[in-house]
Amino acid sequence: SSELSQDPAVSVALGQTVRITCQGDSLRTYYASWYQKKTGQAPVLVMYGKKNRPLGISDRFSGSTSGNTASLTITGAQAEDEADYYCHSRDSSGNHVVFGGGTKVTVL
Amino acid sequence: EVELVESGGGLVNPGGSLRLSCASSGFIFSDYTMTWVRQAPGKGLEWVSSISSSSTNIYYTDSVKGRFTISRDNAKNSLYLQMNSLSAEDTAVYYCARYRFSAVSNYFDYWGQGTLVTVSS
Repeated sequence: SSELSQDPAVSVALGQTVRITCQGDSLRTYYASWYQKKTGQAPVLVMYGKKNRPLGISDRFSGSTSGNTASLTITGAQAEDEADYYCHSRDSSGNHVVFGGGTKVTVL
Repeated sequence: EVELVESGGGLVNPGGSLRLSCASSGFIFSDYTMTWVRQAPGKGLEWVSSISSSSTNIYYTDSVKGRFTISRDNAKNSLYLQMNSLSAEDTAVYYCARYRFSAVSNYFDYWGQGTLVTVSS
């Protein structure tokens, strides 16, 4: 079982806002990072650190952390945002990497 | 431009071995910790192994410990994963990724396209 918990699936209407959450004790110590994964493609980093967005990533994506929960928010979701989203951080030992189980985002 | 290109995947019998390679370019390979991450069919991303820039620190997920060996050749800008005693549970797309970390932050900023490993008789 993963030390980071994500809801399996969420849906959002085109142009609306959706928040994806990731829970885990290690998030009280380490920031989460977030990856977009589409079928047949490599994962893409979309958010890392406190609130950092890599170059080329749409500003529709934003991140936040509160306590043991990290969140990725997509504001004004577009059809191309439909994908699986994974959070990632370190485990409680700090030496190993752990991924959340992933959240499938469907844009209606 | 940073580029990571995996190779070496394929079909292998249960109990067999395979060696994956990841060729890098566009950055100073010897400055970075590198990682293998896999995704089994219909499953999520799973961290497999990490190796520090000088190979001093090496970590494995429990399910591959004793069977997989990560290594790197900084002179060749390449990362490797030797996989032995393979089972069907190892069937996955294997990605190499560049790992960045600080005291409170960690992330994979560049990924390869992946190489498929299929373990089946």
